[in-house]
Amino acid sequence: GAGVSQSPSNKVTEKGKDVELRCDPISGHTALYWYRQSLGQGLEFLIYFQGNSAPDKSGLPSDRFSAERTGGSVSTLTIQRTQQEDSAVYLCASSLVGGGQSYGYTFGSGTRLTVV
Amino acid sequence: AQSVTQPDIHITVSEGASLELRCNYSYGATPYLFWYVQSPGQGLQLLLKYFSGDTLVQGIKGFEAEFKRSQSSFNLRKPSVHWSDAAEYFCAVGPNYGGATNKLIFGTGTLLAVQP
Repeated sequence: GAGVSQSPSNKVTEKGKDVELRCDPISGHTALYWYRQSLGQGLEFLIYFQGNSAPDKSGLPSDRFSAERTGGSVSTLTIQRTQQEDSAVYLCASSLVGGGQSYGYTFGSGTRLTVV
Repeated sequence: AQSVTQPDIHITVSEGASLELRCNYSYGATPYLFWYVQSPGQGLQLLLKYFSGDTLVQGIKGFEAEFKRSQSSFNLRKPSVHWSDAAEYFCAVGPNYGGATNKLIFGTGTLLAVQP
């Protein structure tokens, strides 16, 4: 696609429910990143995919968080048993090559998750 | 530890005035450096980037930034601010090598308000 697409744009869920957030990167971008942006905070790195593998998942805050990427394209971030502290904007970015910093990231518009 | 500091959380300038947003980084080697802008409800857009060479880089929307190695800084400037520049600005650093991860580390952002 022309840009990075994220869905849903907004999600309200009850505490304890599971949620899935989707990211559709720019076609041909091999690197994909998930970040979390909480109110008043910067961007917190969650996980990095190169193709379908995740060489860096060091930012996932707990084992309730998982992510996968299939076909070197779409990625899904899953949060199980959501907690109120999971409320944030979840941003996805993609870049052309693994050394993506050479081109900078292209970000999606994010998914705003609210856990009530 | 790798980190990015944006010391100004919130800045207000008058339309037409000059602007400088500060960014300091701590990194083990010469990093790649970026500035992103985030308008309300939007994803992040790349303003400019520094990889090597000329330490003064030009970006979109009339912005520029200067890399000062001795000060570990990469400050963003604009000679004359427009009302449409009101947004949040993020500085980011990343590795300049093809390592196992290519994640960018972001500062906490500076929120710019522009008054008439």
